[in-house]
Amino acid sequence: SQQGEEDPQALSIQEGENATMNCSYKTSINNLQWYRQNSGRGLVHLILIRSNEREKHSGRLRVTLDTSKKSSSLLITASRAADTASYFCATENSGNTPLVFGKGTRLSVIA
Amino acid sequence: DAMVIQNPRYQVTQFGKPVTLSCSQTLNHNVMYWYQQKSSQAPKLLFHYYDKDFNNEADTPDNFQSRRPNTSFCFLDIRSPGLGDAAMYLCATSSPPRAYTDTQYFGPGTRLTVL
Repeated sequence: SQQGEEDPQALSIQEGENATMNCSYKTSINNLQWYRQNSGRGLVHLILIRSNEREKHSGRLRVTLDTSKKSSSLLITASRAADTASYFCATENSGNTPLVFGKGTRLSVIA
Repeated sequence: DAMVIQNPRYQVTQFGKPVTLSCSQTLNHNVMYWYQQKSSQAPKLLFHYYDKDFNNEADTPDNFQSRRPNTSFCFLDIRSPGLGDAAMYLCATSSPPRAYTDTQYFGPGTRLTVL
């Protein structure tokens, strides 16, 4: 299956700074989703962006999608220690198949 | 609150001893998924049910089986666990009409240890 690839694999920032994570994928998609996973827990859906959308906001989250480059970015502004988690992108590929998850970015926000 | 529940949260089994993990949902979603996630890796889809239709991923070992007796419950059976099956097992659901378009809702996971 075609996985999304997140970049960087790990990111460490100070509280208050912005965090940017990137996701690249290989096939045509219907939508791309971002999920967060706290250590030892299940995944929590953050935001979904459809293939005909270029940017979406939700609170301190901003997601962009560039289908020509097959890439997406997740920006978390004014980060907090509670944002410390792994972040995964997941793509719904054309053809109505289940989501394909990337390998994730581990974000550490230091107070 | 509507939710996805997994039991137990932690399961210890012996090498080769069958184990069953359970998942229940109060969301009334059509689709239920089982994922395996090893440390610092992406969740790996094992199989999913779309209503009663079972869909197995091509690379899921025969050692892994699943049952969905009704809409609310889904079970993961590992017939002969090996050391390599130690992982977090995540259950998720999603809703109709185009199930794969929608958000997936995850349970908290079951951490399986194989001794």
